[in-house]
Amino acid sequence: DIQMTQSLSTLSASVGDRITITCRASQSVSRWLAWYQQKAGKAPKLLIYKASSLESGVPSRFSGSGSGTEFTLTISSLQPDDFATYYCQQYHSYLRTFGQGTKVEIK
Amino acid sequence: EVQLVESGGGLVQPGGSLRLSCAASGFTFTTYSMNWVRQAPGKGLEWVSYISSSSSSIYYADSVKGRFTVSRDNAKSSLYLVMNSLRAEDTAVYYCARDARDGDFDYWGQGTLVTVSS
Repeated sequence: DIQMTQSLSTLSASVGDRITITCRASQSVSRWLAWYQQKAGKAPKLLIYKASSLESGVPSRFSGSGSGTEFTLTISSLQPDDFATYYCQQYHSYLRTFGQGTKVEIK
Repeated sequence: EVQLVESGGGLVQPGGSLRLSCAASGFTFTTYSMNWVRQAPGKGLEWVSYISSSSSSIYYADSVKGRFTVSRDNAKSSLYLVMNSLRAEDTAVYYCARDARDGDFDYWGQGTLVTVSS
């Protein structure tokens, strides 16, 4: 199985900060990578697909980049609604796998 | 409006069985692959199973292979997960999720809680 690793489990930041969350795959997943946002008690929400494509309705302050084994999710100016947990997910393999999540909390 | 509504969760003893359902509406169910994803209390997301639109392709995570069976009824726009030989580590909220394009998940249900405990 392809293992997905998010290096930070928690990231502390302030409103207005630019933040970057990283995700590493144990083998190349090309650009078959998605990012999700999850708030407590809610289902995940798709933000980015195919590494850098913005899902419809998602604010443009979210962006994704990377290919192969290294990926990043960037929030250009953190808003109060963005404090949540973020997961990467690969879909290069039919055995989909998620990263363990990065919680963005208020500094 | 796309809606996915899970049901069937509850408390079950170790070694027991449970059948989850996911009722889909607001889209042409027959043209989409579907997935089950679970989340143990306080933990991250774990993909569980995939079924293609025609049920011709089915995949499972190693952690549930041989114990869980996914199926769908396109006439009823419904997805199912039969879970046998349940273990404490299967305790989680189970979500159904629609395959958006190539394996990213664009719509999720609200989840149904499965608790495996004596």
